[in-house]
Amino acid sequence: GAVVSQHPSRVICKSGTSVKIECRSLDFQATTMFWYRQFPKQSLMLMATSNEGSKATYEQGVEKDKFLINHASLTLSTLTVTSAHPEDSSFYICSAIEIAQERVAFFGQGTRLTVV
Amino acid sequence: QKEVEQNSGPLSVPEGAIASLNCTYSDRGSQSFFWYRQYSGKSPELIMSIYSNGDKEDGRFTAQLNKASQYVSLLIRDSQPSDSATYLCAVSPGNTGKLIFGQGTTLQVKP
Repeated sequence: GAVVSQHPSRVICKSGTSVKIECRSLDFQATTMFWYRQFPKQSLMLMATSNEGSKATYEQGVEKDKFLINHASLTLSTLTVTSAHPEDSSFYICSAIEIAQERVAFFGQGTRLTVV
Repeated sequence: QKEVEQNSGPLSVPEGAIASLNCTYSDRGSQSFFWYRQYSGKSPELIMSIYSNGDKEDGRFTAQLNKASQYVSLLIRDSQPSDSATYLCAVSPGNTGKLIFGQGTTLQVKP
C-alpha cells in the first residue's frame, strides 16, 4: 500500500522560532498533498492544499505567511511554522493523493508540535 | 450547520456486539465518503471508502451510503476491545482528495 512518511514525529521548540515538517510519499508520486491540524479532542481541520510546482491554497482563517508550504517535487511537501507561539502547539498531519488512485488520500503519521 | 456531523459519543458496546456509527453531511455535491479510525495520539487510518449508494462490506465492517438522505454509516460486527478508538467520517467534495472531517465518534468496546 501507499506509504506517507512525516518527519519529525515530535518536536519541541521555543516561542518565536520556526519549525519545518516534512511529508514524503515513499512509494508513489503524489499530485497533491494536504496539511491538517488537530487540536486536542477536536477533529482534523484542513489548513492548506499543496500542489507540486505551484503555490499552496490555504483555507479561510489560515495565515499563509505563518504556515509556509513548499511542494518542490511529487514526493515531498514541507510545512514551516514560522515564529511559533504556544497556541500553534498541535498535531499536524499531512496526506497525499496517489496519481493512479486520486480518490484515496493516505496519511502520514503526524507531527506533535509543542511550543514552549 | 457543520458540514459533516457525527455524534461525539462515547458509544459503548459489549464485546461481540454490533457497533453502529452514523454521519450526515450538508454538501449534496459530495462524491466520496470515508471512514477513518484514529487511536489516541496517532494519525487516522482508513477503514472504508464508499462512493455509490448502498452497502459496501469489508470483513467485519460495512459502510452504508444514502446520498438522497445525505447519510453515511459504518457498522462494525463482532466488536473487539481493539476497535475502541475514535471513528472519523470524512467527505470529499469531488475527486480532489480534500477531506472534510466530522468531529468523530468515540467507540468503547467493553470486554
